[in-house]
Amino acid sequence: KAGVTQTPRYLIKTRGQQVTLSCSPISGHRSVSWYQQTPGQGLQFLFEYFSETQRNKGNFPGRFSGRQFSNSRSEMNVSTLELGDSALYLCASSREIGGELFFGEGSRLTVL
Amino acid sequence: GENVEQHPSTLSVQEGDSAVIKCTYSDSASNYFPWYKQELGKGPQLIIDIRSNVGEKKDQRIAVTLNKTAKHFSLHITETQPEDSAVYFCAASRGGNNRLAFGKGNQVVVIP
Repeated sequence: KAGVTQTPRYLIKTRGQQVTLSCSPISGHRSVSWYQQTPGQGLQFLFEYFSETQRNKGNFPGRFSGRQFSNSRSEMNVSTLELGDSALYLCASSREIGGELFFGEGSRLTVL
Repeated sequence: GENVEQHPSTLSVQEGDSAVIKCTYSDSASNYFPWYKQELGKGPQLIIDIRSNVGEKKDQRIAVTLNKTAKHFSLHITETQPEDSAVYFCAASRGGNNRLAFGKGNQVVVIP
């Protein structure tokens, strides 16, 4: 059974640019969540989607956005990148809301 | 919001000994407490979880205990092996969503 797949795995951007990260959940999983991981702040919740609807949002500025498609795949977007956005962005899926979360290996974003 | 703290930040143990990691949480409404293991270059992997209606759960060499009165929960690893070396994260949530509040993580080093 394939796990959570995130693309791209690594990317480098410059300040002011925007980035889109993609996540394919485990087959049959309808809930997708996104987390940001940094050495200083640890793992922080970004948002959660279920059936194409955002169910929960963390304390991040509006530059961070996401969406979920009808096949449960999800994307997140960060606009007007700042140096502090450099992080590992993790996607996690679960069969239903509140179920066991399975994480992907993450997309490592470096902002120069 | 929920605040989860983990202690100690680094733990070194001899192979075969036991390792214990403790976490405290602040939100008395939290009722779901998962533990994740993260190896270098990988995403967090769920290793065990507990819900507030039980006080202890065991899975082979791993066990988790929960004390809701004191608002703390602990991970116990017995007969540690080199492959147990990793960063371990505790988390808490109110359930019914995938918004987990994570601790900052513990680096566990098993010395052969």
